[in-house]
Amino acid sequence: SQTIHQWPATLVQPVGSPLSLECTVEGTSNPNLYWYRQAAGRGLQLLFYSVGIGQISSEVPQNLSASRPQDRQFILSSKKLLLSDSGFYLCAWSAGGHEQFFGPGTRLTVL
Amino acid sequence: KQEVTQIPAALSVPEGENLVLNCSFTDSAIYNLQWFRQDPGKGLTSLLLIQSSQREQTSGRLNASLDKSSGRSTLYIAASQPGDSATYLCAVSLYGNKLVFGAGTILRVKS
Repeated sequence: SQTIHQWPATLVQPVGSPLSLECTVEGTSNPNLYWYRQAAGRGLQLLFYSVGIGQISSEVPQNLSASRPQDRQFILSSKKLLLSDSGFYLCAWSAGGHEQFFGPGTRLTVL
Repeated sequence: KQEVTQIPAALSVPEGENLVLNCSFTDSAIYNLQWFRQDPGKGLTSLLLIQSSQREQTSGRLNASLDKSSGRSTLYIAASQPGDSATYLCAVSLYGNKLVFGAGTILRVKS
């Protein structure tokens, strides 16, 4: 069966510091991968998605970037965090364009 | 631009009651619709996926219907239990990749 992992589970970072969140999927090959952010009062928003290694689509202009160095690994990064980057970050995968399955999430607090 | 609305925003019912959660979307050209459950501080759990060509899907006490032409979906929960307490999210998929989420319905089932 397929499983999706995210780490760290929680993170507290100062403004201006870098960020790296990791997501890995097991039990499937060539998944579509997604990064979402859930901010208080704003609902879930798609940030990036990837249909293959090195292929990244960005949905909103922002302070963040994504990379897919391996088939089942998706990384969300920032060079300098802003207060507005605080939120709950969720990674998801799907087989093609079908049902999406979500990871446990990372709670990021920027102080 | 696709917008998804969920009504009610919050719902409190006694245990054993049958209930309906509503979801509406503005653009009927969807690929599929997915219902999720989210417990506090956790990731999303996929409940039901309805393809655009389908009218309904059932899983245990859950039944989801889709009326694409009117831009509506309902999630029916039979014989509600305290363990059903959670936030329920509706999301529509565009082109099989991007999920657009509603703000969710917070459900509380009282014992």
